[in-house]
Amino acid sequence: NAGVIQTPRHKVTGKGQEATLWCEPISGHSAVFWYRQTIVQGLEFLTYFRNQAPIDDSGMPKERFSAQMPNQSHSTLKIQSTQPQDSAVYLCASSLVGGRREQYFGPGTRLTVL
Amino acid sequence: QQKVQQSPESLIVPEGGMASLNCTSSDRNVDYFWWYRQHSGKSPKMLMSIFSNGEKEEGRFTVHLNKASLHTSLHIRDSQPSDSALYLCAASPGANTGKLTFGHGTILRVHP
Repeated sequence: NAGVIQTPRHKVTGKGQEATLWCEPISGHSAVFWYRQTIVQGLEFLTYFRNQAPIDDSGMPKERFSAQMPNQSHSTLKIQSTQPQDSAVYLCASSLVGGRREQYFGPGTRLTVL
Repeated sequence: QQKVQQSPESLIVPEGGMASLNCTSSDRNVDYFWWYRQHSGKSPKMLMSIFSNGEKEEGRFTVHLNKASLHTSLHIRDSQPSDSALYLCAASPGANTGKLTFGHGTILRVHP
């Protein structure tokens, strides 16, 4: 079991450019979560899919962030017109569904916006 | 306002000592608490979870939960240098959602 896979591991963009982050959940896991982590804000929830359907996007900045899960084997987080304050480690996690299931985190994508 | 508060922000204990970490939620909808450990440069990994009042022990780690006060604590006995890490507390609500709300964490350093 390879665990949750995230690519790229590091991404540097210029202000105003677009960034797309990829996540492959653990095989058999039907819940996928996106979080971001910064020193100042800590680990914050962004959005969540269950069986590929969006369930909760309450943590997503509305204007420039979007997430999709086109199939059960990958999810993407897209940030348009990136700003320096978007610099963070973006973490994807997956879990089984039903009850309270442990979330397994991927290694993260470190996004730096210059 | 942070809904999950952790204390202390940082903690130094000697090798072999006891480390005690605290966490309280201000959201009365939560009913499940998680403790994750994150080593420097790594992703968080779940240590323990608890949803019933009382105590749960796994090896050197013990968690307590008081549901009335929404307070949980993690105790690490016989602390080892490899326990040095950021300890994150998270809470999830009673509704059928997996969303976790995390505290800012406690940085634990165990010195040899």
